[in-house]
Amino acid sequence: NAGVTQTPKFQVLKTGQSMTLQCAQDMNHEYMSWYRQDPGMGLRLIHYSVGAGITDQGEVPNGYNVSRSTTEDFPLRLLSAAPSQTSVYFCASSWSGFQMGSPLHFGNGTRLTVT
Amino acid sequence: AQTVTQSQPEMSVQEAETVTLSCTYDTSESDYYLFWYKQPPSRQMILVIRQEAYKQQNATENRFSVNFQKAAKSFSLKISDSQLGDAAMYFCAYQEGSNYKLTFGKGTLLTVNP
Repeated sequence: NAGVTQTPKFQVLKTGQSMTLQCAQDMNHEYMSWYRQDPGMGLRLIHYSVGAGITDQGEVPNGYNVSRSTTEDFPLRLLSAAPSQTSVYFCASSWSGFQMGSPLHFGNGTRLTVT
Repeated sequence: AQTVTQSQPEMSVQEAETVTLSCTYDTSESDYYLFWYKQPPSRQMILVIRQEAYKQQNATENRFSVNFQKAAKSFSLKISDSQLGDAAMYFCAYQEGSNYKLTFGKGTLLTVNP
């Protein structure tokens, strides 16, 4: 049971490049989400999904796209990377009772640097 | 928007001693959930403890317990018999009931001195 798997662990991009951060979970969780962690800012919600085909914006969605074609996968796309997107990105999932306070299961994070 | 405030950016404690990390939150809701997550140097986010707002009893998990003061909107974490492995960043988080968004505080970095 792998839990939540994020790839890659580290990535360096140049300004304007695009890339996709991958997230997969094998727990059959309906809820999946992406957070970014910046020093002194805690974790901030980028996008989330409550099931295949359903996504919604979080606190800081600008510059990021998501889609959810399967229950298992929830990729995060940066269409044109900017230095302000340098951060550590976490994918997290939970079962369908998330809105009733079930805890999140986190991946190990992706450290992204945009130069 | 809900806010979660952790007023102590850094704390330190001697091994085997007790330490309390503070967290306050702002909400007008009566149905919500509160969490403490731990992030050790490995970067992995780990759930420490969870509290449902409708429950009067404070949650406990082994050496970890909370002091939940609903009227004061306070949710502090007490770590008893601190161990070197408790050294980590600790995040307080709030979730409104029937809502899909979790709001985190900025974190408290806990150092455990041998």
